[in-house]
Formats: sequence, C-alpha cells, structure tokens
Amino acid sequence: DTGVSQDPRHKITKRGQNVTFRCDPISEHNRLYWYRQTLGQGPEFLTYFQNEAQLEKSRLLSDRFSAERPKGSFSTLEIQRTEQGDSAMYLCASSSLEGGIHQPQHFGDGTRLSIL
Amino acid sequence: SQQGEEDPQALSIQEGENATMNCSYKTSINNLQWYRQNSGRGLVHLILIRSNEREKHSGRLRVTLDTSKKSSSLLITASRAADTASYFCATDSKAAGNKLTFGGGTRVLVKP
Repeated sequence: DTGVSQDPRHKITKRGQNVTFRCDPISEHNRLYWYRQTLGQGPEFLTYFQNEAQLEKSRLLSDRFSAERPKGSFSTLEIQRTEQGDSAMYLCASSSLEGGIHQPQHFGDGTRLSIL
Repeated sequence: SQQGEEDPQALSIQEGENATMNCSYKTSINNLQWYRQNSGRGLVHLILIRSNEREKHSGRLRVTLDTSKKSSSLLITASRAADTASYFCATDSKAAGNKLTFGGGTRVLVKP
C-alpha cells in the first residue's frame, strides 16, 4: 500500500492556460474522488468515479473542468482556460467497498494550483 | 457547499491539555468522520463513527455523535505538539454516493 499519490505537487501557470493533474489511487480501491480546497476552508466535492464510470459531478465543476479515469485506475483532472478563481488545492481520494460497506477515503497530498 | 460548522474555528492549548472541538451538520447521514490536515498536506483519516453509534474511541481520540442534535465532538486527550493541525469533520450518506461533505475545520495549536 503506497497510498494515494498526486502529481504535480505544485503548479503555477498563467491565466488562460490549460492544466492537467494526475491521481494514482490505492491499487485495489474502486472509488476515486476529486475535491477542491481553498485556503482556510474545508475540501469541497468535485466529482467521483466508480471504476471507470464518472457517477457524479458537482455544480462547482464548470464546463472548463473535465475528469477521466479511462481504465479504472489512475485519474486525470483537466482545467481549460484557467481563471484566477481556480487557484486552490486539488485533492484526490480513493476508497474501497468491503462487505457492502464503504471504507474511509484515503487522501493524497494534493496539487496546489496557483494562477498568475 | 459546506455541510456544517465546526466550533471553535481555532484553538490554542498547552501540551498535555485536552482539546475538544465540535461539528454540526444539516442533513441525515450514514457516517461521520474526522480527518486531520497538517499544513500543505492531504487529509489523514482519524476515526469514523456510524449513524447508529454514539461514541467511539481510538487511542487518545474520543468521538461522540448525537444524531438528534446533528452534532459530533472530537476530544483529543493529553495533547502533544505533534497534534498541531487542522481538524475537519466530514459526513456522508448513501443517497449522496458516499461523497464527503466537510465542515470548515478547527485549527488547533498545541504549544510545547
């Protein structure tokens, strides 16, 4: 169990550029979640996958955001035409289902995005 | 949107003292969880309490849940400087796909 890993840890880019983040969940976890956290606030849900299927997207996820999990393993989150309001920490979490019960989510260390 | 509020927003105590923080939420839940976050890092799961449980212990942590008041408390006993972090409660429900809804967090400073 190597934990949830996210790449990159930090991303600085100019407004209007596209960015892509990657999340590698714990290998046996079938659920993968994306959250966004701004300074001094708790994380807010963006979207989640069960295997490769994206089951829910938050209203926070505008058309500029897209997430994929093509083979049910790693996931990518892309933000197109970034805006200053996109500056935040983007957190990925994964979890498993055991005996029909959802287990606690394990979080990565996040990708901190700064828009200049 | 945030599910609820944590109280206090910030807490400063001396090493060895107990720290208590509270969490309130708005809708029916399946589970309530507490997470810790050190500055610039991800969240670490501390403890999960199910909606049919009232109290749970894990090491120096004690969590209570009162579903009638839609509130929970986290007690850290005999605090250590290493407990300095932000603590978040998070709720989930089957109807919401088990995604987590977080409060705003309590920032705890334990002074050596």
